[in-house]
Amino acid sequence: DAKTTQPPSMDCAEGRAANLPCNHSTISGNEYVYWYRQIHSQGPQYIIHGLKNNETNEMASLIITEDRKSSTLILPHATLRDTAVYYCIVRVGSYIPTFGRGTSLIVHP
Amino acid sequence: DAGVIQSPRHEVTEMGQEVTLRCKPISGHNSLFWYRQTMMRGLELLIYFNNNVPIDDSGMPEDRFSAKMPNASFSTLKIQPSEPRDSAVYFCASSPLGWGYGTRGSEQFFGPGTRLTVL
Repeated sequence: DAKTTQPPSMDCAEGRAANLPCNHSTISGNEYVYWYRQIHSQGPQYIIHGLKNNETNEMASLIITEDRKSSTLILPHATLRDTAVYYCIVRVGSYIPTFGRGTSLIVHP
Repeated sequence: DAGVIQSPRHEVTEMGQEVTLRCKPISGHNSLFWYRQTMMRGLELLIYFNNNVPIDDSGMPEDRFSAKMPNASFSTLKIQPSEPRDSAVYFCASSPLGWGYGTRGSEQFFGPGTRLTVL
């Protein structure tokens, strides 16, 4: 079973920030939080990951709460091409990543 | 960089036939992953190789499935005999480092997938 909880769907207006939440209340101290997205009919695409500090790259920002029990992926200016399923993953056990069902984000004009 | 290459992109076969899916990881990457995606079960990890050695195959559904990585630039996933319930999209992914690392370089790069239909 996935160790993360995400809302099944969200929507966002084009040009606005999309904030995707993820709960991972059982995360352990050495587990990283990863975000991937999957655009329809394509393979998943890595977005960002972090341990405890907030991270930013050219695609998104990752905000991790101080207790590390939840995180938020922020797409600062969502475009129609950001419509996808977004997966929040924590390292489970030793090597087996579990993608779960993710959040289906729809960006509308 | 061509990314992860998978072939074929689509495969339609009849129940009982052998199916071989192929993957070429990104050059220089040390880890390779095979996933299966269906509507019912979502994205499932089947097997994970590190430096061509299978590290964890606990996700392989049954003995009909086998995976090999004879060298750093090629891997195969074989289903023999195939069954209709094997119909799915199969993804291959590679990573510069293994999944067990959390540092930069552990992210996975996915191929376009092979859509398998078993009639």
